[in-house]
Amino acid sequence: DAKTTQPNSMESNEEEPVHLPCNHSTISGTDYIHWYRQLPSQGPEYVIHGLTSNVNNRMASLAIAEDRKSSTLILHRATLRDAAVYYCILYGSGNTGKLIFGQGTTLQVKP
Amino acid sequence: NAGVTQTPKFQVLKTGQSMTLQCAQDMNHNSMYWYRQDPGMGLRLIYYSASEGTTDKGEVPNGYNVSRLNKREFSLRLESAAPSQTSVYFCASSNRASRAGANVLTFGAGSRLTVL
Repeated sequence: DAKTTQPNSMESNEEEPVHLPCNHSTISGTDYIHWYRQLPSQGPEYVIHGLTSNVNNRMASLAIAEDRKSSTLILHRATLRDAAVYYCILYGSGNTGKLIFGQGTTLQVKP
Repeated sequence: NAGVTQTPKFQVLKTGQSMTLQCAQDMNHNSMYWYRQDPGMGLRLIYYSASEGTTDKGEVPNGYNVSRLNKREFSLRLESAAPSQTSVYFCASSNRASRAGANVLTFGAGSRLTVL
């Protein structure tokens, strides 16, 4: 399975944008890039996913590099409720249904 | 809608005891999954069921059995609990997207299991 690399932790100030990076240099052509987040003491929550083009939804934006070897999750205005562990996951036809989680990035949001 | 419901939320077992974690989803999803999460770690896949009537091993299946009872329900059984199985267990479900890899998972709130 293709792997992802994320920083262990990041900090942000409230109401400022946050850019969470993810490297996935061994991504295959059919792998989607998924982001999930896990708030303290809760189950993971879907954030966004994309294949090649940048994606926007009500929670966040996903910027995918042209060569697809890296991507960035963008939270446009961080709130205290966005403090969580963010997981970048590659998910494709080769995974046969298995969503494999790595260590993720712990985001701290300061008031 | 309730989404994915797991029971029980908390359980304490003694080594060697058995128990079943129950999971039910009301979203008419085809696929269901069981993950475990140890302190400070990411989630690891135990078993999954791509559709009713099928089950497959994930990364860490040893010591567990599963049953896809029907489309709604997917249970995880510990036949002889060990302290190494102390963890938080998450059930998830997803629909089958038109393209593999586009499936989105919905997770339950988790079941915290302690084995003494």
